[in-house]
Amino acid sequence: EAGVAQSPRYKIIEKRQSVAFWCNPISGHATLYWYQQILGQGPKLLIQFQNNGVVDDSQLPKDRFSAERLKGVDSTLKIQPAKLEDSAVYLCASSPEAGINEQYFGPGTRLTVT
Amino acid sequence: QKEVEQNSGPLSVPEGAIASLNCTYSDRVSQSFFWYRQYSGKSPELIMSIYSNGDKEDGRFTAQLNKASQYVSLLIRDSQPSDSATYLCAVRPNRGSTLGRLYFGRGTQLTVWP
Repeated sequence: EAGVAQSPRYKIIEKRQSVAFWCNPISGHATLYWYQQILGQGPKLLIQFQNNGVVDDSQLPKDRFSAERLKGVDSTLKIQPAKLEDSAVYLCASSPEAGINEQYFGPGTRLTVT
Repeated sequence: QKEVEQNSGPLSVPEGAIASLNCTYSDRVSQSFFWYRQYSGKSPELIMSIYSNGDKEDGRFTAQLNKASQYVSLLIRDSQPSDSATYLCAVRPNRGSTLGRLYFGRGTQLTVWP
């Protein structure tokens, strides 16, 4: 069974630029999560989708971050404009259903904002 | 606010010893608990999940949960150098909703020396 796929793996941008990350969850997983992991900290949830609907985006900085999962499969997370403090690893995870099953993480995208 | 605290590292043990990792959480309604292993530069990998009080064993790993005391621990028996990683404790409240948010601790860095 293929795992969670993410791209790109690394991205370096200047502050005020925009960037987008892509995630394809494990086949058949209805729930998709985006986490932000700053160096030395645990992952923090940004947004959770159940199929193509948003379940939880309370921690998403909506003035600069946006995410979509239009067909209930893959997802895109965008940052516009980026700030220095957005430098982090952005992790995508999926689970068969929310609230019950374990979550499985993709390899992540390491973002550096200069 | 749901806080997850892990004993500060780094933790260093000799090969063959038992490594003990601890985690406390503040939200009494938390029902699901997970341990993830994260190698440097890699994404978190699920190694144990536990949902009820007591011990759960899987190979060299044992998770222990005490809901009354609000702590969960991970024991690694016969530690190997390949166990050297950061171990993340994650907690999920279960309120009967579809929310699947995981709350992570900062992680404990474990080093197993030969």
